[in-house]
Amino acid sequence: ETGVTQTPRHLVMGMTNKKSLKCEQHLGHNAMYWYKQSAKKPLELMFVYSLEERVENNSVPSRFSPECPNSSHLFLHLHTLQPEDSALYLCASSPGLITEAFFGQGTRLTVV
Amino acid sequence: KQEVTQIPAALSVPEGENLVLNCSFTDSAIYNLQWFRQDPGKGLTSLLLIQSSQREQTSGRLNASLDKSSGRSTLYIAASQPGDSATYLCAVRDDKIIFGKGTRLHILP
Repeated sequence: ETGVTQTPRHLVMGMTNKKSLKCEQHLGHNAMYWYKQSAKKPLELMFVYSLEERVENNSVPSRFSPECPNSSHLFLHLHTLQPEDSALYLCASSPGLITEAFFGQGTRLTVV
Repeated sequence: KQEVTQIPAALSVPEGENLVLNCSFTDSAIYNLQWFRQDPGKGLTSLLLIQSSQREQTSGRLNASLDKSSGRSTLYIAASQPGDSATYLCAVRDDKIIFGKGTRLHILP
């Protein structure tokens, strides 16, 4: 247990659906991240939040919409996804932007 | 642009052997380097974090070294066990965390 919890663990959605991924940490960390892990590729950083403000958006398509309502919760809202968006989505948190990162177990997303 | 390379991509070794995993990075201006372990379909577990001012860190049977000037880090695993089988990821932090593709390690019983 890393202290970072992601739900759901698995999600299958159609291309016209809207769903949300949730990440929660009660470690007192100020930074939270979304990563995408596809087969045979390095982890791709999607979004970074620091003190609830988005500080980085790595050219992610608008069909992915992050939300950070407070320092303990991070959401990734999904709509009109494509099959190539199927991947493991990992959330991480860290005390600050240059400190040790802790990862959740991920959400395995399948778009059909 | 920072790039992180891990060699080999996959490695199989008999149980009990010592082994070394390699990580190289192109820009030495990093804050820290972190080694992770990932089991299939799971999240990442942090193994060791080496700050840029440090040269090595040890945890149990694991020892990680950092040579920032040459852009290299190694993860040494002593007396390998079947439970060590996993993918090992190296990540460097400059203004973002950059990951390598990982080394898939299989320990043969």
